[in-house]
Amino acid sequence: AQSVTQLDSQVPVFEEAPVELRCNYSSSVSVYLFWYVQYPNQGLQLLLKYLSGSTLVKSINGFEAEFNKSQTSFHLRKPSVHISDTAEYFCAVTMIEGAQKLVFGQGTRLTINP
Amino acid sequence: DAGITQSPRYKITETGRQVTLMCHQTWSHSYMFWYRQDLGHGLRLIYYSAAADITDKGEVPDGYVVSRSKTENFPLTLESATRSQTSVYFCASGHGRGIYEQYFGPGTRLTVT
Repeated sequence: AQSVTQLDSQVPVFEEAPVELRCNYSSSVSVYLFWYVQYPNQGLQLLLKYLSGSTLVKSINGFEAEFNKSQTSFHLRKPSVHISDTAEYFCAVTMIEGAQKLVFGQGTRLTINP
Repeated sequence: DAGITQSPRYKITETGRQVTLMCHQTWSHSYMFWYRQDLGHGLRLIYYSAAADITDKGEVPDGYVVSRSKTENFPLTLESATRSQTSVYFCASGHGRGIYEQYFGPGTRLTVT
């Protein structure tokens, strides 16, 4: 079975400051990793994913995440946040061999203060 | 419109009543999923379907029933609603065939009184 732990339930930061949202996972099999974002009163949208290749993956809006197999982590970072980044962020994993079921972490609420 | 839709968006029902949440996708995706979102738990998988007429349980299936007679529809039924089923329910779909991204609907907020 897989499990995902997001180490911070809430992260408040000031606008233009850097941010890191932490994600650790546990799995006995190889997994793919995802970050989803949920803006207020909306469904989830894929932010970025790691399937294979370079361990550093980037989104179109400046976020990046690095897959660290030895530490079983997939932390999300952004060097300078904007008010529009206020949202809840979910880390998720799925087994490489399987029915494509996602296992989510508990979520991290990112609040950007002006 | 293309995409994934859920109805109703908001529902209040009483304990013991049957309620059905609808999910419709226009992409002809093979996979469809139902999740519930509760504070402190993230999203938990209720049921999923790999194709029409193929469904399987997820992490929290008790009290729920699903069917998938057509590829595009995946209704979720609460046979006898309980207060513990008060939650936000999200439907999602995915291509399958090695493409792992899931596309989420806008959600249904269900309150059981």
